[in-house]
Amino acid sequence: LAKTTQPISMDSYEGQEVNITCSHNNIATNDYITWYQQFPSQGPRFIIQGYKTKVTNEVASLFIPADRKSSTLSLPRVSLSDTAVYYCLVGDPRGGGFKTIFGAGTRLFVKA
Amino acid sequence: EAGVTQFPSHSVIEKGQTVTLRCDPISGHDNLYWYRRVMGKEIKFLLHFVKESKQDESGMPNNRFLAERTGGTYSTLKVQPAELEDSGVYFCASSQGWGPSYNEQFFGPGTRLTVL
Repeated sequence: LAKTTQPISMDSYEGQEVNITCSHNNIATNDYITWYQQFPSQGPRFIIQGYKTKVTNEVASLFIPADRKSSTLSLPRVSLSDTAVYYCLVGDPRGGGFKTIFGAGTRLFVKA
Repeated sequence: EAGVTQFPSHSVIEKGQTVTLRCDPISGHDNLYWYRRVMGKEIKFLLHFVKESKQDESGMPNNRFLAERTGGTYSTLKVQPAELEDSGVYFCASSQGWGPSYNEQFFGPGTRLTVL
């Protein structure tokens, strides 16, 4: 499975837009890009998934360039409750499931 | 709808003892996964069930770990005998494996295992 590289940590202020970029240079043709969020003492929570271009849901946007070697998770107008660890994962989800490999993630700290 | 549940939430045992962790996936989810995070490390995949069959158990650390999913519903993960390095948080997740979000995995709150 493709290895991912993300910043270890990021700081932001309430109301700002936060962009977290993930590098996955060895992404395979059938791989999707998935982002999870994890709060302390909880299991990871799915945020968004995409294959190419742009995906948007009620929580975030995911931007994927044409070469798919990186992706950017965009969180609009963050609040204190968005303080969490964000994981970027790459893998082929078809056929009923795939092995999910978590990296170190990006620890986002939102300040008032 | 109930999410993924895990039992117990915490377990403290002595080295050499046996512990069994339980995971109840979301109803109707054929895929069930076990992960663990040991202190200061990343979340690591352990294994993946599709219904009652083990699809991938490449992450199981050794033969002291035994996972079962009889009937394709809940799953258990037994550690026997437990060693100090088994301490950590064990997560379970389930997914439908189809639908708009490919393989969106729903995680349980985890079981914190401490081996003394």
